[in-house]
Amino acid sequence: EVQLVESGGGLVKPGGSLRLSCAASGFTFSSYSMNWVRQAPGKGLEWVSSISSSSSYIYYADSVKGRFTISRDNAKNSLYLQMNSLRAEDTAVYYCARSDILTGYHFDYWGQGTLVTVSS
Amino acid sequence: EIVLTQSPATLSLSPGERATLSCRASQSVSSYLAWYQQKPGQAPRLLIYDASNRATGIPARFSGSGSGTDFTLTISSLEPEDFAVYYCQQRSNWPAYTFGQGTKLEIK
Repeated sequence: EVQLVESGGGLVKPGGSLRLSCAASGFTFSSYSMNWVRQAPGKGLEWVSSISSSSSYIYYADSVKGRFTISRDNAKNSLYLQMNSLRAEDTAVYYCARSDILTGYHFDYWGQGTLVTVSS
Repeated sequence: EIVLTQSPATLSLSPGERATLSCRASQSVSSYLAWYQQKPGQAPRLLIYDASNRATGIPARFSGSGSGTDFTLTISSLEPEDFAVYYCQQRSNWPAYTFGQGTKLEIK
């Protein structure tokens, strides 16, 4: 069974940093591109960042470029999101999600999410 | 940036009725469009990918159609568990994915 479990969320002050993790199991992690998607309270979904299976390709939404860094450790079956210079508008539930060529690179499995709150 | 506009914002129907949800793109996304369902407190679930393909385990009452700029998600006969928020997503200008703002399907 495919499982994605996020962790690392919490309360942080504006300008602070946080590192999110996503532990993957039930599939060959090193064969899939992975993504972060966020959802502000009561709002819609926003794609944040993507990383290819071997980390060769990395992409960010304009809203986080230069502040967030996505990475992965295929040996540990883990995905990460380093978030720096956090702002109030970064407050959201952050989901990790897998993308698969068999589903047109759309997101076929999602974690349960971890809440990041940026507030003084 | 490709903008996806979903309509209506809220759809009120009764179980057993047919639901038709729309997603319009600001420019052609070919068939690179997906639909997701999200229930309160849960992660989104992939329903339809590449406009018309049902994801694994998705009931046949869910169907997707369209190409270019106009897309439709149809639920042929609503079950109680179908009341949720639905999002469309495009990957035409991959790697920059965008989502629509969502349609809330509520019980009438």
